[in-house]
Amino acid sequence: DTEVTQTPKHLVMGMTNKKSLKCEQHMGHRAMYWYKQKAKKPPELMFVYSYEKLSINESVPSRFSPECPNSSLLNLHLHALQPEDSALYLCASSQDGPGGTDTQYFGPGTRLTVL
Amino acid sequence: EDQVTQSPEALRLQEGESSSLNCSYTVSGLRGLFWYRQDPGKGPEFLFTLYSAGEEKEKERLKATLTKKESFLHITAPKPEDSATYLCAVLRDNYGQNFVFGPGTRLSVLP
Repeated sequence: DTEVTQTPKHLVMGMTNKKSLKCEQHMGHRAMYWYKQKAKKPPELMFVYSYEKLSINESVPSRFSPECPNSSLLNLHLHALQPEDSALYLCASSQDGPGGTDTQYFGPGTRLTVL
Repeated sequence: EDQVTQSPEALRLQEGESSSLNCSYTVSGLRGLFWYRQDPGKGPEFLFTLYSAGEEKEKERLKATLTKKESFLHITAPKPEDSATYLCAVLRDNYGQNFVFGPGTRLSVLP
């Protein structure tokens, strides 16, 4: 099973709202990722968690706050977003660690619209 | 500067008309090259991983190959359901799990 799940599928929020995106995997993967994807563009890496610790932050604005409560869950907390933050937000996971493959498996994404 | 390019940007094929998509890369130390398929509004679906020049992998109508400078995704006798954007991504030595994605090729297969 190579399934990564994401909730919600769609989210509409105002610029003053606080919301969270959730991601879950049960493949025993130890690396998890958040990507942002605009229309007709490839995914852009935002954050990487390795063994539940933040290992990469691609200079993402502080209005995006990641959290990794345990090895299966990844959250992205959103606050005071701008309309230009509207995009498809993708979660991915990979095995990481010695002997692990590097293949990243993506979830279906959350379509975020900021009004 | 490390770079991944894909060509063509868009491709329209008739059903059954075989063709190839190209992914060219200039990176310092290739650790792996990955192909994904992405339908509109959905997450990328993993297709293949290639690690060394000369490696080939096949799955149904798709075959991926790798050289020292590029990778090809060959589509044999495509069907309309093969219509999607095909993304390639590379991992580089000393850059951890940070993918460099190509811009993608949008494939349309007409019945």
